[in-house]
Amino acid sequence: KAGVTQTPRYLIKTRGQQVTLSCSPISGHRSVSWYQQTPGQGLQFLFEYFSETQRNKGNFPGRFSGRQFSNSRSEMNVSTLELGDSALYLCASSSLTRGGSYNEQFFGPGTRLTVL
Amino acid sequence: QQQVKQSPQSLIVQKGGISIINCAYENTAFDYFPWYQQFPGKGPALLIAIRPDVSEKKEGRFTISFNKSAKQFSLHIMDSQPGDSATYFCAASRGSSASKIIFGSGTRLSIRP
Repeated sequence: KAGVTQTPRYLIKTRGQQVTLSCSPISGHRSVSWYQQTPGQGLQFLFEYFSETQRNKGNFPGRFSGRQFSNSRSEMNVSTLELGDSALYLCASSSLTRGGSYNEQFFGPGTRLTVL
Repeated sequence: QQQVKQSPQSLIVQKGGISIINCAYENTAFDYFPWYQQFPGKGPALLIAIRPDVSEKKEGRFTISFNKSAKQFSLHIMDSQPGDSATYFCAASRGSSASKIIFGSGTRLSIRP
């Protein structure tokens, strides 16, 4: 089975721009989550989607948004980029079923976003 | 209450030695404790996980020790190899939602040949 893929792998933007990151989960996985990873804050939860519905959102400003498509692929968007948005953005998928117990999260390689 | 405290921040171990990374939590509602391994340029990958009804779980050279009363758990890597050099994250979660997973701050492990 192919793993979680994320595109692009690297991105350089300037302050004020917006960016869209893409994630393709493992085939058959309907749950996709996004995380921001920085040296100072570690891994922080951004969003969780299941069957095109956002289940949960982390403590991030409204500039961070996301969506999931019917094929379980997901995108996240960051508008009006700030220097502090520079981070590794990780996507994870799981075979979680609604109401089920915790299932293993499979992480993609991440998108390294640099904001200048 | 929601924090998972991980130590040490970095660790250097000689090849063949035992690497030990520790984590502590406060929320007794956590019911799943995974460890993730992350190599540079890669996303974290699940290494081993434990539920609080057991005190130890071993998979190859990797062992989780879990002390429910002390609210602590640790990762032991026996016969550490240079290929084990990576960043290790402990985590604790409650229920099925990814939003309920709390990650430790990470330990950068270097195995010296």
